[in-house]
Amino acid sequence: GDSVTQMEGPVTLSEEAFLTINCTYTATGYPSLFWYVQYPGEGLQLLLKATKADDKGSNKGFEATYRKETTSFHLEKGSVQVSDSAVYFCALSAPIGGAQKLVFGQGTRLTINP
Amino acid sequence: NAGVTQTPKFQVLKTGQSMTLQCAQDMNHEYMSWYRQDPGMGLRLIHYSVGAGITDQGEVPNGYNVSRSTTEDFPLRLLSAAPSQTSVYFCASSYSKPGQGRGYEQYFGPGTRLTVT
Repeated sequence: GDSVTQMEGPVTLSEEAFLTINCTYTATGYPSLFWYVQYPGEGLQLLLKATKADDKGSNKGFEATYRKETTSFHLEKGSVQVSDSAVYFCALSAPIGGAQKLVFGQGTRLTINP
Repeated sequence: NAGVTQTPKFQVLKTGQSMTLQCAQDMNHEYMSWYRQDPGMGLRLIHYSVGAGITDQGEVPNGYNVSRSTTEDFPLRLLSAAPSQTSVYFCASSYSKPGQGRGYEQYFGPGTRLTVT
């Protein structure tokens, strides 16, 4: 079945460091890919998305490129801030019944130290 | 718009008790769903609905019931709570069908943290 694998956390970085969180997927067909972020005590928010191969999603300085050949959607940011501390989830859309569901990775907890 | 709202935020139940988690959205979304979030396992789909009067099972439906009498509301019922149902529950909504050109973004509520003792 469809699945998403993220790099295990927790990840701890210093402010202004470069961030990469790896995400690979297994899917039939051509899913849309997403990164969601969960700040402490809150629900999930969509961070960025890509709907087809070679698309690059970007938001708030974060970027991820849909790589069909390597089945990957790695999240990157050039210079992280303390406010980026959160849990990050990679996800893909998969068909279910007459709709689509999200299949999530296990999440990666990111802590940024000043 | 309030978006997706959930009540209560926290709940403690004893084994065998029943309760209903409430979820409402004001975006006129056809699709609504319930997920549970457990440590190290991401989010898993419990039940979903593609419109009023239509519901179906997700990956982990056992012990839960849902109904969808209106577009806005999608309550989740725990029939007889068990410690294995201790989790954080999230409701989400979106425009439902692929091909609508919206990239299928789901909007999540703030969650309900449930503890079953």
